[in-house]
Amino acid sequence: GENVEQHPSTLSVQEGDSAVIKCTYSDSASNYFPWYKQELGKRPQLIIDIRSNVGEKKDQRIAVTLNKTAKHFSLHITETQPEDSAVYFCAAPGGGSSNTGKLIFGQGTTLQVKP
Amino acid sequence: DSGVTQTPKHLITATGQRVTLRCSPRSGDLSVYWYQQSLDQGLQFLIQYYNGEERAKGNILERFSAQQFPDLHSELNLSSLELGDSALYFCASSALAASHNEQFFGPGTRLTVL
Repeated sequence: GENVEQHPSTLSVQEGDSAVIKCTYSDSASNYFPWYKQELGKRPQLIIDIRSNVGEKKDQRIAVTLNKTAKHFSLHITETQPEDSAVYFCAAPGGGSSNTGKLIFGQGTTLQVKP
Repeated sequence: DSGVTQTPKHLITATGQRVTLRCSPRSGDLSVYWYQQSLDQGLQFLIQYYNGEERAKGNILERFSAQQFPDLHSELNLSSLELGDSALYFCASSALAASHNEQFFGPGTRLTVL
């Protein structure tokens, strides 16, 4: 069935250190993997995404890697800052190869960046 | 501001009651999604509408229903409310129906069932 597992559930790092969050998915037909950031009391916002035809994508201090063979993808945040503190969600399509927008979200990772 | 609006912001009601949550998508977006976020829970996909038609369904309870109107706004109806329905309900919209279209989330409606 459709499933996205996300680890760790909480992550605490010192400012300036790197943070890595990992997700695995079950549907081998999945071809799009977004990451959302949700600050306390706010709405989720897309921060980066990757499609299955590439293995890595970078945007300034954040990057996402994808391993289709192993069915896992990861979010990497370098030089973390206090404003990176938030809950991060990974997601994968829930419709398989069908043309829907259904996303299955991971359980979320609460990232705390200590000054 | 994502351009997606949701009303009301907060809703407090009693068990057994029925409520309607409203969502207006970003201008030009044809697809609307509803998600439920309970305390300490992730985002649970409920349902997707595209240009007025149901496109995909998640683990939406039979007590819940939704629709998308000709002006593309959407409503989520929750009936026979239970304590466990207390949650943050998000609406999101995207330009088209497929998953690779970025979904823009609204501010959410916090539902409290007493």
